[in-house]
Amino acid sequence: AQTVTQSQPEMSVQEAETVTLSCTYDTSESDYYLFWYKQPPSRQMILVIRQEAYKQQNATENRFSVNFQKAAKSFSLKISDSQLGDAAMYFCAYRSENNFNKFYFGSGTKLNVKP
Amino acid sequence: NAGVTQTPKFRILKIGQSMTLQCAQDMNHNYMYWYRQDPGMGLKLIYYSVGAGITDKGEVPNGYNVSRSTTEYFPLRLELAAPSQTSVYFCASSTWGVGKNIQYFGAGTRLSVL
Repeated sequence: AQTVTQSQPEMSVQEAETVTLSCTYDTSESDYYLFWYKQPPSRQMILVIRQEAYKQQNATENRFSVNFQKAAKSFSLKISDSQLGDAAMYFCAYRSENNFNKFYFGSGTKLNVKP
Repeated sequence: NAGVTQTPKFRILKIGQSMTLQCAQDMNHNYMYWYRQDPGMGLKLIYYSVGAGITDKGEVPNGYNVSRSTTEYFPLRLELAAPSQTSVYFCASSTWGVGKNIQYFGAGTRLSVL
C-alpha cells in the first residue's frame, strides 16, 4: 500500500527566510500525482502546489516550489520569502493516476513563522 | 463562488445518537469524497462517489453510510455515534482526467461524541 511520510512534525522559520518541508512516499506505481495542501487554523484545506509524476520539471507557484525526486520518492516543498500568513499545517498527499480512491495524506508539518 | 459547502460547522452528539453531515458542491464535479481528520493526523478516506447513484467504501467506512442521489449533494450519515467518531470531517469534490486531478475541500465539520 502507498504511504506518505512527513518526518518533521513542526518547523519554524523567520519571516522573509526560506524553509523546506520534507515528504517521502512509497509506491509501486509509475503514474501518480503529488500535492501539498495548506491547512490554516480555519481548517480549510487549500491546495498549494501539485506535481504530475510524468513531468520531470519541478512545479512552482509564486513563492512555493517543489523538489521532486522520483527515483528517491521524495517531494519536498520550499517556501521562499516566508510570510506570517504562511503559518499553518502543511500536508503532503499522493494520488494514484488510475485509482481515484487511492488518495493518501501524510501526518502533516506545522509551520511557525516568526516575525 | 461557493465551491464545496458543509453544514453544520460544529456538532456535539451523545453516544448512540444519529446525525447527517451535509455536503453540497456547485462545480458540477462527478467525484465526491468524505474524509475524517483525527488530531495530529492526515486525512483518511471514509467513502467516495463517482457520480449520482454510485458510492464505494474508502479506507475507514465502518460506522458511516452515504448516499448520492444527485450530482450536487453527498451526505454522510452516522447511525450510532461512538466516541471514536470524534473528529473533523471534510467533504471534497473533483473532476478526473489529465490536468484536472485537483480536489476542492469544504471548510469541515467538527464533531464531538460524548
